[in-house]
Amino acid sequence: AQSVTQPDARVTVSEGASLQLRCKYSYSGTPYLFWYVQYPRQGLQLLLKYYSGDPVVQGVNGFEAEFSKSNSSFHLRKASVHWSDSAVYFCVLSGPNAYKVIFGKGTHLHVLP
Amino acid sequence: NSKVIQTPRYLVKGQGQKAKMRCIPEKGHPVVFWYQQNKNNEFKFLINFQNQEVLQQIDMTEKRFSAECPSNSPCSLEIQSSEAGDSALYLCASSPDSPQDTQYFGPGTRLLVL
Repeated sequence: AQSVTQPDARVTVSEGASLQLRCKYSYSGTPYLFWYVQYPRQGLQLLLKYYSGDPVVQGVNGFEAEFSKSNSSFHLRKASVHWSDSAVYFCVLSGPNAYKVIFGKGTHLHVLP
Repeated sequence: NSKVIQTPRYLVKGQGQKAKMRCIPEKGHPVVFWYQQNKNNEFKFLINFQNQEVLQQIDMTEKRFSAECPSNSPCSLEIQSSEAGDSALYLCASSPDSPQDTQYFGPGTRLLVL
Protein backbone atom coordinates (compact mmCIF):
# COMPACT_ATOMS: atom_id res chain seq x y z
CA ALA A 1 0.00 0.00 0.00
CA GLN A 2 1.16 3.50 -0.72
CA SER A 3 1.71 5.69 2.29
CA VAL A 4 3.64 8.58 3.76
CA THR A 5 4.57 8.65 7.43
CA GLN A 6 5.86 11.66 9.30
CA PRO A 7 6.61 10.12 12.69
CA ASP A 8 7.03 13.39 14.55
CA ALA A 9 3.83 15.38 14.97
CA ARG A 10 5.67 18.21 16.69
CA VAL A 11 9.31 19.27 16.79
CA THR A 12 10.71 22.09 18.92
CA VAL A 13 14.20 23.48 18.35
CA SER A 14 16.06 26.61 19.32
CA GLU A 15 16.87 29.28 16.78
CA GLY A 16 20.23 28.58 15.15
CA ALA A 17 20.05 24.84 15.77
CA SER A 18 20.10 22.26 13.01
CA LEU A 19 16.92 20.53 11.98
CA GLN A 20 15.81 17.21 10.56
CA LEU A 21 12.18 16.39 9.84
CA ARG A 22 11.60 12.77 9.06
CA CYS A 23 9.56 11.27 6.24
CA LYS A 24 9.15 7.61 5.40
CA TYR A 25 7.26 6.41 2.38
CA SER A 26 5.91 3.21 0.96
CA TYR A 27 5.55 3.01 -2.81
CA SER A 28 6.03 0.18 -5.27
CA GLY A 29 7.19 2.26 -8.22
CA THR A 30 9.37 5.32 -8.67
CA PRO A 31 8.10 7.98 -6.30
CA TYR A 32 7.85 11.67 -6.88
CA LEU A 33 8.52 13.25 -3.49
CA PHE A 34 7.87 16.77 -2.29
CA TRP A 35 8.19 18.83 0.85
CA TYR A 36 5.71 21.64 1.34
CA VAL A 37 5.42 24.18 4.16
CA GLN A 38 2.19 25.71 5.42
CA TYR A 39 2.28 28.93 7.41
CA PRO A 40 -0.75 29.94 9.49
CA ARG A 41 -3.75 30.95 7.40
CA GLN A 42 -1.91 30.22 4.17
CA GLY A 43 -1.80 27.51 1.54
CA LEU A 44 1.07 25.11 0.96
CA GLN A 45 4.33 26.38 -0.48
CA LEU A 46 6.79 24.11 -2.24
CA LEU A 47 10.19 23.78 -0.55
CA LEU A 48 11.74 21.16 -2.82
CA LYS A 49 11.04 18.09 -4.90
CA TYR A 50 12.74 14.88 -5.99
CA TYR A 51 12.08 12.94 -9.15
CA SER A 52 15.42 11.30 -9.95
CA GLY A 53 19.16 11.92 -10.05
CA ASP A 54 21.21 13.31 -7.17
CA PRO A 55 19.56 12.05 -3.99
CA VAL A 56 20.32 15.30 -2.17
CA VAL A 57 18.08 18.07 -3.43
CA GLN A 58 18.37 21.71 -2.54
CA GLY A 59 15.32 23.81 -1.86
CA VAL A 60 14.37 27.33 -0.89
CA ASN A 61 15.45 29.14 2.26
CA GLY A 62 18.38 26.79 2.96
CA PHE A 63 16.35 23.59 3.11
CA GLU A 64 17.58 20.35 1.59
CA ALA A 65 16.34 16.78 1.57
CA GLU A 66 17.94 13.44 0.97
CA PHE A 67 16.20 10.60 -0.84
CA SER A 68 17.09 7.09 0.24
CA LYS A 69 15.58 4.20 -1.69
CA SER A 70 17.05 1.61 0.66
CA ASN A 71 15.52 3.30 3.70
CA SER A 72 12.37 4.50 1.90
CA SER A 73 12.98 7.92 3.35
CA PHE A 74 13.02 11.54 2.27
CA HIS A 75 14.16 13.51 5.31
CA LEU A 76 14.21 17.31 5.30
CA ARG A 77 17.17 19.17 6.80
CA LYS A 78 18.30 22.67 7.54
CA ALA A 79 21.64 23.64 9.01
CA SER A 80 20.42 26.61 11.07
CA VAL A 81 16.77 27.39 11.68
CA HIS A 82 15.21 30.81 12.10
CA TRP A 83 12.13 31.66 14.17
CA SER A 84 10.29 32.39 10.91
CA ASP A 85 10.63 28.71 9.97
CA SER A 86 7.92 27.90 12.51
CA ALA A 87 5.17 26.28 10.45
CA VAL A 88 3.71 22.89 9.51
CA TYR A 89 5.77 20.82 7.08
CA PHE A 90 4.22 18.19 4.83
CA CYS A 91 5.92 15.37 3.01
CA VAL A 92 4.00 14.45 -0.15
CA LEU A 93 4.20 11.44 -2.44
CA SER A 94 3.01 11.28 -6.00
CA GLY A 95 3.24 8.77 -8.79
CA PRO A 96 2.04 8.03 -12.31
CA ASN A 97 -1.61 8.02 -11.21
CA ALA A 98 -2.46 11.61 -10.36
CA TYR A 99 -5.25 10.48 -8.05
CA LYS A 100 -2.69 8.92 -5.75
CA VAL A 101 -1.22 12.09 -4.28
CA ILE A 102 -0.57 11.16 -0.69
CA PHE A 103 0.09 13.68 2.04
CA GLY A 104 1.81 12.97 5.32
CA LYS A 105 0.03 14.24 8.43
CA GLY A 106 2.52 17.03 8.83
CA THR A 107 5.14 17.98 11.39
CA HIS A 108 4.53 21.15 13.35
CA LEU A 109 7.87 22.91 13.78
CA HIS A 110 8.22 25.37 16.63
CA VAL A 111 11.42 27.42 16.70
CA LEU A 112 12.24 29.02 20.03
CA PRO A 113 13.73 32.51 19.70
CA ASN B 1 5.38 32.10 -4.66
CA SER B 2 2.08 30.66 -5.87
CA LYS B 3 -0.28 32.88 -7.83
CA VAL B 4 -3.34 30.71 -7.34
CA ILE B 5 -6.24 32.86 -6.18
CA GLN B 6 -9.04 31.50 -4.03
CA THR B 7 -12.19 33.33 -2.96
CA PRO B 8 -13.67 33.79 -0.50
CA ARG B 9 -11.05 33.21 2.18
CA TYR B 10 -13.75 32.45 4.77
CA LEU B 11 -17.24 31.07 4.29
CA VAL B 12 -19.87 30.47 6.98
CA LYS B 13 -22.99 28.47 6.16
CA GLY B 14 -25.83 26.80 7.98
CA GLN B 15 -26.50 23.12 7.59
CA GLY B 16 -28.33 22.41 4.35
CA GLN B 17 -27.17 25.60 2.69
CA LYS B 18 -25.15 25.78 -0.51
CA ALA B 19 -21.51 26.70 -0.25
CA LYS B 20 -19.59 27.85 -3.30
CA MET B 21 -15.91 28.70 -3.58
CA ARG B 22 -13.80 29.76 -6.51
CA CYS B 23 -10.27 29.31 -7.74
CA ILE B 24 -8.24 31.03 -10.42
CA PRO B 25 -5.26 28.81 -11.30
CA GLU B 26 -1.89 30.19 -12.27
CA LYS B 27 -1.87 31.42 -15.83
CA GLY B 28 -0.90 28.66 -18.22
CA HIS B 29 -1.56 25.83 -15.77
CA PRO B 30 -3.92 23.33 -17.40
CA VAL B 31 -4.29 21.03 -14.38
CA VAL B 32 -6.38 21.99 -11.34
CA PHE B 33 -6.94 20.06 -8.12
CA TRP B 34 -9.33 20.47 -5.20
CA TYR B 35 -8.49 19.11 -1.75
CA GLN B 36 -10.16 19.17 1.62
CA GLN B 37 -7.84 19.65 4.62
CA ASN B 38 -9.43 18.89 8.00
CA LYS B 39 -8.38 20.15 11.39
CA ASN B 40 -6.16 17.08 11.87
CA ASN B 41 -4.14 18.08 8.77
CA GLU B 42 -5.53 15.17 6.79
CA PHE B 43 -5.88 15.89 3.09
CA LYS B 44 -8.64 14.40 1.00
CA PHE B 45 -8.44 14.60 -2.77
CA LEU B 46 -11.76 15.69 -4.23
CA ILE B 47 -11.39 16.21 -7.97
CA ASN B 48 -8.96 17.29 -10.64
CA PHE B 49 -9.28 18.77 -14.08
CA GLN B 50 -7.11 19.03 -17.13
CA ASN B 51 -8.10 21.70 -19.62
CA GLN B 52 -11.62 21.97 -18.23
CA GLU B 53 -12.22 18.20 -18.36
CA VAL B 54 -12.59 16.10 -15.21
CA LEU B 55 -9.69 13.68 -14.85
CA GLN B 56 -10.59 11.97 -11.60
CA GLN B 57 -12.96 12.47 -8.72
CA ILE B 58 -13.88 10.56 -5.61
CA ASP B 59 -17.30 9.19 -4.79
CA MET B 60 -18.00 11.93 -2.27
CA THR B 61 -17.62 14.51 -4.97
CA GLU B 62 -20.22 12.79 -7.12
CA LYS B 63 -22.96 13.21 -4.54
CA ARG B 64 -23.22 16.57 -2.77
CA PHE B 65 -20.14 18.15 -4.28
CA SER B 66 -19.93 19.55 -7.77
CA ALA B 67 -17.06 21.27 -9.51
CA GLU B 68 -16.26 22.81 -12.83
CA CYS B 69 -13.41 24.59 -14.58
CA PRO B 70 -14.90 26.47 -17.56
CA SER B 71 -12.60 28.18 -20.00
CA ASN B 72 -12.06 31.88 -19.36
CA SER B 73 -13.81 31.70 -15.97
CA PRO B 74 -12.73 30.75 -12.46
CA CYS B 75 -12.93 27.13 -11.40
CA SER B 76 -15.52 26.47 -8.72
CA LEU B 77 -16.38 23.92 -6.06
CA GLU B 78 -19.91 23.83 -4.71
CA ILE B 79 -21.44 21.86 -1.89
CA GLN B 80 -25.15 21.52 -2.53
CA SER B 81 -26.28 20.85 1.02
CA SER B 82 -23.62 21.62 3.59
CA GLU B 83 -23.10 19.36 6.57
CA ALA B 84 -21.16 20.03 9.78
CA GLY B 85 -18.55 17.50 8.66
CA ASP B 86 -17.79 19.62 5.61
CA SER B 87 -16.15 22.25 7.82
CA ALA B 88 -12.57 22.33 6.61
CA LEU B 89 -10.01 24.23 4.58
CA TYR B 90 -10.60 23.73 0.86
CA LEU B 91 -7.42 24.04 -1.14
CA CYS B 92 -7.13 24.58 -4.84
CA ALA B 93 -3.86 23.75 -6.58
CA SER B 94 -2.72 24.07 -10.17
CA SER B 95 0.04 22.34 -12.07
CA PRO B 96 1.87 23.45 -15.20
CA ASP B 97 2.40 20.05 -16.69
CA SER B 98 1.28 16.54 -15.94
CA PRO B 99 -0.97 15.82 -12.97
CA GLN B 100 1.90 14.29 -11.00
CA ASP B 101 4.11 17.34 -11.35
CA THR B 102 4.54 20.09 -8.78
CA GLN B 103 1.30 21.55 -7.51
CA TYR B 104 1.02 25.21 -6.62
CA PHE B 105 -1.51 25.89 -3.90
CA GLY B 106 -3.81 28.78 -3.20
CA PRO B 107 -4.40 30.10 0.33
CA GLY B 108 -7.59 28.10 0.68
CA THR B 109 -11.20 28.79 1.56
CA ARG B 110 -12.02 28.01 5.18
CA LEU B 111 -15.58 26.74 5.39
CA LEU B 112 -17.46 26.65 8.68
CA VAL B 113 -20.82 24.91 8.69
CA LEU B 114 -22.83 25.80 11.78
